[in-house]
Amino acid sequence: SQTIHQWPATLVQPVGSPLSLECTVEGTSNPNLYWYRQAAGRGLQLLFYSVGIGQISSEVPQNLSASRPQDRQFILSSKKLLLSDSGFYLCAWIGHSYGYTFGSGTRLTVV
Amino acid sequence: KNEVEQSPQNLTAQEGEFITINCSYSVGISALHWLQQHPGGGIVSLFMLSSGKKKHGRLIATINIQEKHSSLHITASHPRDSAVYICAVKYSGGGADGLTFGKGTHLIIQP
Repeated sequence: SQTIHQWPATLVQPVGSPLSLECTVEGTSNPNLYWYRQAAGRGLQLLFYSVGIGQISSEVPQNLSASRPQDRQFILSSKKLLLSDSGFYLCAWIGHSYGYTFGSGTRLTVV
Repeated sequence: KNEVEQSPQNLTAQEGEFITINCSYSVGISALHWLQQHPGGGIVSLFMLSSGKKKHGRLIATINIQEKHSSLHITASHPRDSAVYICAVKYSGGGADGLTFGKGTHLIIQP
């Protein structure tokens, strides 16, 4: 079966510090992978998606970047966090039948 | 901008009541998803629809493509149904971009 792992679950980071969130998928190959963010009181927003190794598309210009070093690994990064980066970050992948599976999410608080 | 509108934003009901949550969207879609977000933040996919109606246990999801509208129903509601229910659509037009999300309906079922 296909599973998606995301870590860490919670993170408190000071302003200006770097960020690295990791997401890995099992049980599938060449998945489309997505990073979403949910800010307080707002809906989920697509940040990045990737259709393959090294292929990243950005939906929203911001302080974040994404990388896909391996087929089933998707990383969200920042060199210097801002207060506005606080939120709930979700990784997701889509199967060929348009079914979405979400990771458990990372709650990031920038202080 | 293509948007997804959900109603109501908040809903409090008594255990056993029949619950309806509505979702409307603006242009053609290839699929519509109903998601459940638990208090801890994790998201579970409930349904994926492109036409008609689907049922799983006490949950029923319907979609009317002509009216660009979908409903999620919960029969014999129970306190464990308390969660945020999110409607999300994948707009037609191809590409590997992800979902557009509604802001969610916060449901509380009181015993």
